[in-house]
Amino acid sequence: EIVLTQSPGTLSLSPGERATLSCRASQSVSSSYLAWYQQKPGQAPRLLIYGASSRATGIPDRFSGSGSGTDFTLTISRLEPEDFAVYYCQQYGSSPRLTFGGGTKVEIK
Amino acid sequence: QVQLQESGPGLVKPSETLSLTCAVSGYSISSGYYWGWIRQPPGKGLEWIGSIYHSGSTYYNPSLKSRVTISVDTSKNQFSLKLSSVTAADTAVYYCARRMDYEFDYWGQGTLVTVSS
Repeated sequence: EIVLTQSPGTLSLSPGERATLSCRASQSVSSSYLAWYQQKPGQAPRLLIYGASSRATGIPDRFSGSGSGTDFTLTISRLEPEDFAVYYCQQYGSSPRLTFGGGTKVEIK
Repeated sequence: QVQLQESGPGLVKPSETLSLTCAVSGYSISSGYYWGWIRQPPGKGLEWIGSIYHSGSTYYNPSLKSRVTISVDTSKNQFSLKLSSVTAADTAVYYCARRMDYEFDYWGQGTLVTVSS
């Protein structure tokens, strides 16, 4: 079973700052199979990044994804007020076919 | 615009079966894609439950496989989840979603199901 570990658990930053979120897999994951989501309180997750680095429709270019193998990163270049939320990575491939990381909360400092 | 809407009882008794339906609009399930269920216990992370193709082929999270059944009704453009022998640990917000390639691009708003007597 592939386990996704996200770090840090909480990231305290100010608007305008750069956010770097990590997602580490216990086994190698194909880049095609790694996605990132944003979730705000009381809302469903929203797809941000798929294929490790492709932005989903309508996602601002301040969001970028990178990485390969077991280490993946979501970067928010300059935090906007609406970016404070919880972020999840997700992999597809190994049984169980789909798993999510535990999430990183980006909070206002 | 693709829209998904979950429906079903918000309260289920322990040992009974949880049943939810996801109605899809703006896209015909028969046209393709996988469709899935994901849940989120209060204050916790996301857990994938299982997915179904329009043809009816399914795959489930092994941790839930013995209790889960997902089915599709293309005539009604909807798919359903049944989770048997529920306990308090199954209390969660349940989401339905469309799987684009290997990720979920459209999600329902979610529905809270509480397991309690």
